[in-house]
Amino acid sequence: NAGVTQTPKFQVLKTGQSMTLQCAQDMNHEYMSWYRQDPGMGLRLIHYSVGAGITDQGEVPNGYNVSRSTTEDFPLRLLSAAPSQTSVYFCASRAMSVGANVLTFGAGSRLTVL
Amino acid sequence: AQTVTQSQPEMSVQEAETVTLSCTYDTSESDYYLFWYKQPPSRQMILVIRQEAYKQQNATENRFSVNFQKAAKSFSLKISDSQLGDAAMYFCAYRLTNFGNEKLTFGTGTRLTIIP
Repeated sequence: NAGVTQTPKFQVLKTGQSMTLQCAQDMNHEYMSWYRQDPGMGLRLIHYSVGAGITDQGEVPNGYNVSRSTTEDFPLRLLSAAPSQTSVYFCASRAMSVGANVLTFGAGSRLTVL
Repeated sequence: AQTVTQSQPEMSVQEAETVTLSCTYDTSESDYYLFWYKQPPSRQMILVIRQEAYKQQNATENRFSVNFQKAAKSFSLKISDSQLGDAAMYFCAYRLTNFGNEKLTFGTGTRLTIIP
């Protein structure tokens, strides 16, 4: 059981480049989300999805795009990377049945934008 | 908007001793979940303990327990018999229970050091 898998684990980009952080889960979870973690600021929600074809913005969505074409996958796209997007990114998922309130996190992806 | 405050950026404790990490939150809602997550140097986010706001009984998981004071909006984590493996960042988090309010709001974290 792989849980939540994020790739790549590390990435260095130049300003203006684009890239996609991949996230896949094999638990048939309806809910998936992306967080960024910055020093002294905890984790902040970027985008989330409650099912295939449904996405919504979180607290810090600017500069990021998402899509949810399947239940398993929830990629995060940076169209034109900026140094302010240097961060550690976490994908997380959970089931949405009653009482299923715990997020399962991926191992994180460290992104550096030069 | 809901906010979560962890006022202790760093804490340290002697191995085998007890330590309490503080967390307060601000909400006008009555039904919600509270969590403590642990993040060791591996960066993996690991659930330590959770509490449903409607439950008066404090949650306990082995050496970890919480002191949930709903009226005071306080949710502290007590770690008993501290072990070297407890060294990590600890995050307090809050989420509403109703469908459609999916945002998990985190505090800024407390770095816990265990002194051998």
